[in-house]
Formats: sequence, structure tokens, C-alpha cells
Amino acid sequence: NAGVMQNPRHLVRRRGQEARLRCSPMKGHSHVYWYRQLPEEGLKFMVYLQKENIIDESGMPKERFSAEFPKEGPSILRIQQVVRGDSAAYFCASSPGTGWNQPQHFGDGTRLSIL
Amino acid sequence: KQEVTQIPAALSVPEGENLVLNCSFTDSAIYNLQWFRQDPGKGLTSLLLIQSSQREQTSGRLNASLDKSSGRSTLYIAASQPGDSATYLCAVNTGANSKLTFGKGITLSVRP
Repeated sequence: NAGVMQNPRHLVRRRGQEARLRCSPMKGHSHVYWYRQLPEEGLKFMVYLQKENIIDESGMPKERFSAEFPKEGPSILRIQQVVRGDSAAYFCASSPGTGWNQPQHFGDGTRLSIL
Repeated sequence: KQEVTQIPAALSVPEGENLVLNCSFTDSAIYNLQWFRQDPGKGLTSLLLIQSSQREQTSGRLNASLDKSSGRSTLYIAASQPGDSATYLCAVNTGANSKLTFGKGITLSVRP
């Protein structure tokens, strides 16, 4: 049973380019969460999605960032016109539901570096 | 707004020592609390989840306790080993769309 798969593991972009980060949840999981870990900071919630729906995007910057979780395929976190401050580790987590005993399982993350 | 604090930021102990990692949170209305382990350059591995109604959970040498009323959780590691060296993160689920609020973690180093 494969875990949460994220790719790429490392991504280098120049300022102004677009970054696309992909996340395939664990089999049977329909809830996906994205978190960002800035240098010397803790992980911060960005967005929570279910299939074809954004449930909570309260942690996502209003501009340049978007997320989707289509009916088929992985969840995508897209960052347009990247800036140096976007350099961080981006983690995806999935869970089968939102019950009291439902842990979130994390992928290995995508390390985004902006030149 | 929920805030999670983990102090100290780093801890170094000799092998074989029993140790306790602390986590405190400001809002006691939580759904559950999870402890994670993060190795350098890696993702998070879920260690234990304690539901709001529970007092503790155990897995092998690990025991996590929860005191909701005082806003505290502890992770107890028995007979520490060098392989336990990692950053330990505490995260609280307040139930609002299940988003986790994380502490900054405690970086543990177990010396052989």
C-alpha cells in the first residue's frame, strides 16, 4: 500500500516562472491537505481539498497560488510568477475522512528553490 | 486562534535515557492531537494520534499523553537510541476542516 506520493522531490525555478507540485494521496483517501514549511518556521496549513472541491483555502496566499484535486489524477498546487519568498518545502497529506481517529499521512514533500 | 508551542527547541541526551517531550496548546477545544517524527530532508511520519476523549496512547517505546483542560501533551520515549534522533512535531486538529496546527518541533539528538 503505497504512501502519499509527491513529485518532484526537488524543483528549481527562476523568479517569474510557474511551479507545479503534484500529490497522489494514499489509496482510498479522498481528503488532501497542503502545508508549507518555510526555513526556521513550523508547518503552516495552506488548503484542504476533496475530490473536485476546495473545502478550506484560508491558509493560501490570495494571489499567485491555486490548488485543485480533479476527479481523476493527482492534486496540484500551482504557484504562478514565483518569487524568492516562495522557497520552502511543500508537504501534502491525505486522510480517508475527518473523523476523530483519522490521522493525516504525509508525503516526503517537494523542496522548491527559487533562483 | 490556536497556537502550539514546543519547548525546548533542541535536546541532547545520552543513549538509554528515558525522556519527555512537551507540547502545549492555547485552545482546549481540540478534535485530536498527533505526534510526528521528521528526519532531515524527509517528510513526516505519524507516530501517535490521541483523540480528544483519550488520555494516552502507546506504541512500542513511545507513550503520548493528553491533558486537554491544561492544554498539554507529552511524548515519552523510553530507553532512547541513536536512531531516535530526529525532529518531533506536535500538531493539533481543532476540527475546523481538520487542518492541523503545528508546533515548531523539538530536535532530539541521542548520543551513543
